[in-house]
Amino acid sequence: NAGVTQTPKFRILKIGQSMTLQCTQDMNHNYMYWYRQDPGMGLKLIYYSVGAGITDKGEVPNGYNVSRSTTEDFPLRLELAAPSQTSVYFCASGGWDTEAFFGQGTRLTVV
Amino acid sequence: AQRVTQPEKLLSVFKGAPVELKCNYSYSGSPELFWYVQYSRQRLQLLLRHISRESIKGFTADLNKGETSFHLKKPFAQEEDSAMYYCALRKAAGNKLTFGGGTRVLVKP
Repeated sequence: NAGVTQTPKFRILKIGQSMTLQCTQDMNHNYMYWYRQDPGMGLKLIYYSVGAGITDKGEVPNGYNVSRSTTEDFPLRLELAAPSQTSVYFCASGGWDTEAFFGQGTRLTVV
Repeated sequence: AQRVTQPEKLLSVFKGAPVELKCNYSYSGSPELFWYVQYSRQRLQLLLRHISRESIKGFTADLNKGETSFHLKKPFAQEEDSAMYYCALRKAAGNKLTFGGGTRVLVKP
């Protein structure tokens, strides 16, 4: 079972560039999440989705966009990358009453 | 809004010593509480959830609604317990997780 797969694992962006972080899950989960992990700050929710076609903002949505056209995929888009977006990004999925299953993370550096 | 606080950023203990990771939360309802663990170079994974009331890898956690706490305990720490531990809260099934800041545990030989 692949579970939750994120790509890429690492990326260096220049200020002002854009990119999409990919996330796909094969567990048929309705719920999907994007978190960022900053040192000493824990995980903060960026966006989440409760099903295909439905997305909502988390704590720190500014500078990001998401879409959920299928149950499996939940890409995160960064427009006009800024140094403050340097972080480790985690995608997760879960069922209504299950734990959240996490991807391996994407380490992003904006220079 | 709900909030999860882990007051210790780092806990350093010797192998065989007890370890307790503190987790306090603020939420007026009856939340679900979780402990997640992240070993070096691995993804976050569930360690415990309070409704299962089971012990995993020797760890236990009790939900204390009066003190709004969900502390994680292990009586005899092992070197393989060295990891990052996150406490998390969910208001109800189908809701998003709110994480604490994490506690890094270092078990010395």
